[in-house]
Amino acid sequence: AQKVTQAQTEISVVEKEDVTLDCVYETRDTTYYLFWYKQPPSGELVFLIRRNSFDEQNEISGRYSWNFQKSTSSFNFTITASQVVDSAVYFCALSGGGYGGATNKLIFGTGTLLAVQP
Amino acid sequence: EAGVAQSPRYKIIEKRQSVAFWCNPISGHATLYWYQQILGQGPKLLIQFQNNGVVDDSQLPKDRFSAERLKGVDSTLKIQPAKLEDSAVYLCASSRGTGGYNEQFFGPGTRLTVL
Repeated sequence: AQKVTQAQTEISVVEKEDVTLDCVYETRDTTYYLFWYKQPPSGELVFLIRRNSFDEQNEISGRYSWNFQKSTSSFNFTITASQVVDSAVYFCALSGGGYGGATNKLIFGTGTLLAVQP
Repeated sequence: EAGVAQSPRYKIIEKRQSVAFWCNPISGHATLYWYQQILGQGPKLLIQFQNNGVVDDSQLPKDRFSAERLKGVDSTLKIQPAKLEDSAVYLCASSRGTGGYNEQFFGPGTRLTVL
């Protein structure tokens, strides 16, 4: 069965601090995709990044970076120099390839509430 | 490009009443999803449509929940009769296809409170 674990329920940091959100996943699929979504107080889920299981290259986008390690089944998300606008709930999610019977539905973790204090 | 539209944004009903939610996906997106997000949890898929056919409804409580997408565009999700535990945010999402690599775009959600 597929599962996503976000052990950090809440994190509070002061503006300009760096913060890492952890994500650990379980799957038996050989092809799968990992996602991060942001859910601000307005409630709408905003897509941040997608990674496929064959691409372990780390990615950086501005202040955001992602570290994908298949050996530890982790897909961690780091925000550098955090800002108040980063305050939100962040969800890690997993989907199968949708091939050969593997499900392609998104399995979400329970989310991490990030509070950035000014 | 217009995003996923949902209505109403908020709904308060008494238990045992019925309620319906509406979703209009992004133009050209063949796949539509309904998720239930209970407070403090991640979204959980209720049903997935590919055009007007159901792909996955394994987690839909079919004794009280129903959904349709008759013309392969708009969709409605209905609860009849509602229970207290149905209080949640109902999110609609759409994507171009069904492959797992497809990014899902989410609407603002409908917050349902059952009293």
